[in-house]
Amino acid sequence: NAGVTQTPKFQVLKTGQSMTLQCAQDMNHNSMYWYRQDPGMGLRLIYYSASEGTTDKGEVPNGYNVSRLNKREFSLRLESAAPSQTSVYFCASSPLAGGRGNEQFFGPGTRLTVL
Amino acid sequence: GQQVMQIPQYQHVQEGEDFTTYCNSSTTLSNIQWYKQRPGGHPVFLIQLVKSGEVKKQKRLTFQFGEAKKNSSLHITATQTTDVGTYFCEGSNYKLTFGKGTLLTVNP
Repeated sequence: NAGVTQTPKFQVLKTGQSMTLQCAQDMNHNSMYWYRQDPGMGLRLIYYSASEGTTDKGEVPNGYNVSRLNKREFSLRLESAAPSQTSVYFCASSPLAGGRGNEQFFGPGTRLTVL
Repeated sequence: GQQVMQIPQYQHVQEGEDFTTYCNSSTTLSNIQWYKQRPGGHPVFLIQLVKSGEVKKQKRLTFQFGEAKKNSSLHITATQTTDVGTYFCEGSNYKLTFGKGTLLTVNP
């Protein structure tokens, strides 16, 4: 099992460019999450998907969109990147549906810089 | 809204000393999860606490959930250099909220 995989590992964008961060899990988990991690800010939830076919906003959704393509894949899209979106992005999954209070398995992260 | 405060923000210890981090929520939690993140790595799940007053142990690590289910602690006995990293709590009820973490450094 690969667990949770994320692509790309690193990315540099110019302000205004768009990109999609990919995430996939092979553990047959129901819930999936996108977080951003900034120095001193801990992990902040951007969006989550409590089950296949559903998505919900987290704490910091502005400037992002998500797609739960199927049970395995959950992508995060930046339509028009801004320097404030420079961060490390983590995808996570958890076994139970509902999106709350589960053990989460994290991917290795994507380090994004927006110039 | 729900807030989860974690203290201290940083802790530096000599190898062999004990370490404790505390997590306090503004609201009653359904459960709480603890994670460890090594420098440059990703968070790794350590444990989940569900019951009021629950205490769980993993070797040198002791986790407690308060009676009111609004606070929790992680205690490490006799720290080792392998304990270095940031320890996060995540509180859950109607939403997920991570604390900002405690960065532990250990001087060998």
